Amino acid sequence: GNSVTQMEGPVTLSEEAFLTINCTYTATGYPSLFWYVQYPGEGLQLLLKATKADDKGSNKGFEATYRKETTSFHLEKGSVQVSDSAVYFCALSEGSSNTGKLIFGQGTTLQVKP
Amino acid sequence: DSGVTQTPKHLITATGQRVTLRCSPRSGDLSVYWYQQSLDQGLQFLIQYYNGEERAKGNILERFSAQQFPDLHSELNLSSLELGDSALYFCASSSRGGTGELFFGEGSRLTVL
Repeated sequence: GNSVTQMEGPVTLSEEAFLTINCTYTATGYPSLFWYVQYPGEGLQLLLKATKADDKGSNKGFEATYRKETTSFHLEKGSVQVSDSAVYFCALSEGSSNTGKLIFGQGTTLQVKP
Repeated sequence: DSGVTQTPKHLITATGQRVTLRCSPRSGDLSVYWYQQSLDQGLQFLIQYYNGEERAKGNILERFSAQQFPDLHSELNLSSLELGDSALYFCASSSRGGTGELFFGEGSRLTVL
């Protein structure tokens, strides 16, 4: 079945460091890919998305490119801030099955120190 | 604010008991999804309803059931509770014809003692 694998955390960085969180997926068909962020005590919020191969999603300085050849959707940010500390989830939509549900990776905790 | 409302936010109960979690989707959204988030299992899809009918089922235990009412709100019923059912339960909704984005509520934290 479809699945998403993320790099294990926690990831601890100093402010202004470069961030990469790896995400790879296994899917049939052509799913859409998402990054969600969960701040402490809150629900999940959509960070960015890409709906087809070679699309780049971007938001709040974060970027991820849909790479079909490597089945990856790595999240990057050039300069992290303390306020970026959160749990990040990579996800894919089972669009071909028409249910609309999302399959999530296990989440990666990011801690940014001042 | 995602527009998805979940109640209660926190719930503490004992093993063997039954609880009901409630979700109101965003205005106009026909699909409702339930997810369970625990430390060891991550975010697990439980069940989806679309306009009152069950659309997809995931890793939902037989002790759990859900329904979506004509006004589109949904309830997740958890019975014969066990310690391992302690988790954060999220509801999400989506619009028809959207790009697959789900909008999540803030969750209901269930603690079983």
